[in-house]
Amino acid sequence: QVQLQESGPGLVNPSATLSLTCAVSGGSVSSFNWWSWFRQPPGKGLEWIGEVYHTGTINYNPSLKSRVTISIDKSKNQLSLMLSSVTAADTAVYYCARGKTGFDAFDSWGQGTLVTVSS
Amino acid sequence: EIVLTQSPGTLSFSPGERATLSCRGSQSAASRYLAWYQQKPGQAPRLLIYDASSRATGIPDRFSGSASGTDFTLTISRLEPEDFAVYFCQQYASSPPMYTFGQGTKLEIK
Repeated sequence: QVQLQESGPGLVNPSATLSLTCAVSGGSVSSFNWWSWFRQPPGKGLEWIGEVYHTGTINYNPSLKSRVTISIDKSKNQLSLMLSSVTAADTAVYYCARGKTGFDAFDSWGQGTLVTVSS
Repeated sequence: EIVLTQSPGTLSFSPGERATLSCRGSQSAASRYLAWYQQKPGQAPRLLIYDASSRATGIPDRFSGSASGTDFTLTISRLEPEDFAVYFCQQYASSPPMYTFGQGTKLEIK
């Protein structure tokens, strides 16, 4: 059973770059799955940030595209998220998730990590 | 851009009752691949239904999904205490690639 675990700083300064990693165990990032990042501001709904396939194909949410970089490291079996020029509006729980093969849904999620943007 | 509307924002039921949650899409040509998730406080979303009506692995059969045009429904036939949570619907659009969620419906105990 695949497991995902997000990690990274819980506090980021305004205007800085948020960096998170998602370690995948019990499965391979080189499998026939897309891997996505999401975020959820406290008490609010879910927002898709972007996705990556092991071939290097990446898609981003158009509203975040100018600030987001997603990458995949097959040697470490993990994916990464970088979000630049953060503001308080970027404070959220960030999740990574696996896309369900052949369907536009997400069947495995990390537990999430809260990132607060504050000085 | 797809907009998914879940209404009402909160539903109140008693355990044992039948609950029907609604999700309306904004585009008739949108994907039929609507998914439903359950989220409890402090937890990640859990996939319940994909492809509008297929139950995910390990999901009890009291959960079912259906679709009619741009209207999607999640039905919980007999509410168990652990079913009281927030439910989100989610859909995919291909141009540009984008996943969109509804704003969620909170199922609370009456």
